[in-house]
Amino acid sequence: AQTVTQSQPEMSVQEAETVTLSCTYDTSESDYYLFWYKQPPSRQMILVIRQEAYKQQNATENRFSVNFQKAAKSFSLKISDSQLGDAAMYFCALIMYNNNDMRFGAGTRLTVKP
Amino acid sequence: DGGITQSPKYLFRKEGQNVTLSCEQNLNHDAMYWYRQDPGQGLRLIYYSQIVNDFQKGDIAEGYSVSREKKESFPLTVTSAQKNPTAFYLCASSALLGTGMEEQYFGPGTRLTVT
Repeated sequence: AQTVTQSQPEMSVQEAETVTLSCTYDTSESDYYLFWYKQPPSRQMILVIRQEAYKQQNATENRFSVNFQKAAKSFSLKISDSQLGDAAMYFCALIMYNNNDMRFGAGTRLTVKP
Repeated sequence: DGGITQSPKYLFRKEGQNVTLSCEQNLNHDAMYWYRQDPGQGLRLIYYSQIVNDFQKGDIAEGYSVSREKKESFPLTVTSAQKNPTAFYLCASSALLGTGMEEQYFGPGTRLTVT
């Protein structure tokens, strides 16, 4: 079975600073996708970034980037130049190529201090 | 506007009553999902469906039922057999695996309170 672990229940960052959210996962498969989703107070889940396991290059989306370490089964999210609107719950998620069962971590609540 | 709609946003029911949560998508996605979210536990999969008239149980299917009669619709019924139905319910959809667009798109959610 696949599992996703987010070891930081809460994190805080000063506005304009950089913060890294951790995620580790466990799977015996070699082909999968990884995602970071953001859930603001509205509770609408928003895709932040995705990474295909076969790609060595780390994904980036504007101020968001990942550090994907396949051998270590680690998938951290870096948020640069943090903004007040980045405050939210962040969920790491994993899905295998051969099924639709997406696994989510328990989430990290990010607070951004002005 | 393409997206996923869930209604209602808030739902209140008495214990012992069945209740159906609505989920509709106009993204032309084949796969649809229902998740339950409880504080501190992330999202847990209740049911998912890859095609019309077919669906599979997730980790916590007991006390829930679904139907998929149309591609666009995937309603979830919370039955009286569900012991702790009060929760936030999220519906999602995605393209089928292998298309390169496997991310799931989520609806705004329904907060169900059973007293």
